[in-house]
Amino acid sequence: QVQLQESGPRLVKPSETLSLTCTVSGDSMGRYFWSWIRQSPGKGLEWIGHFSYVGTTRFSPSLKSRGTMVLDPSKSQFSLTLTSVTSADTAVYFCARGGQQSYGGWFDRWGPGTPVTVSS
Amino acid sequence: DIQMTQSPSSLSAYVGDRVNITCRASQSVFTYLNWYQQKPGRAPQVLIFRVSTLHSGVSSRFSGSGSGTDFTLTISNLQPEDCAIYFCQQTYSELLYTFGQGTKLEIK
Repeated sequence: QVQLQESGPRLVKPSETLSLTCTVSGDSMGRYFWSWIRQSPGKGLEWIGHFSYVGTTRFSPSLKSRGTMVLDPSKSQFSLTLTSVTSADTAVYFCARGGQQSYGGWFDRWGPGTPVTVSS
Repeated sequence: DIQMTQSPSSLSAYVGDRVNITCRASQSVFTYLNWYQQKPGRAPQVLIFRVSTLHSGVSSRFSGSGSGTDFTLTISNLQPEDCAIYFCQQTYSELLYTFGQGTKLEIK
């Protein structure tokens, strides 16, 4: 059974960098696309972006200029970095497993989510 | 961006009722439409993918239909554990996956 777990700081100061890690256990990271999704009261569920094990990466256009995703297969982890955060980045952040193609899939495994607050 | 609009935003029904939640896409997403259920404090869980295929372990009381721009999630014989928020999602556009704003279902 594949399990995902997010980790990272829960409080980030405005203008600083948010860094989160998702650890995958129970299966190989190959074959699938791996996503970050966030949820805030004001904007509902927002897909941040995804990447595949072979290197295909896609970021939401609204976050592309501030975001980076990195894979560390040796640790079965992937990470999200968002720079220059503002209060609008306050949300619960989820990692999830998607399909085997860049379109047409669905998120069948999710981490429990980690809340991040941007505040001084 | 493909906008996903759900209706209603909230609804209340009795145990045993049948309810429909609709999702409309701003352009055709063909059959790349998924439904999720989210309970308080939990991550969303996929119920139905590709319009009408039930995810493993999901009750047959859930069903999905539609194509193109208009889709429906139907819950039959409503049970207390169905109290949740339901989201639709399109994955047709690989540039940007988008979700509906959610429908909050309350059991009377």
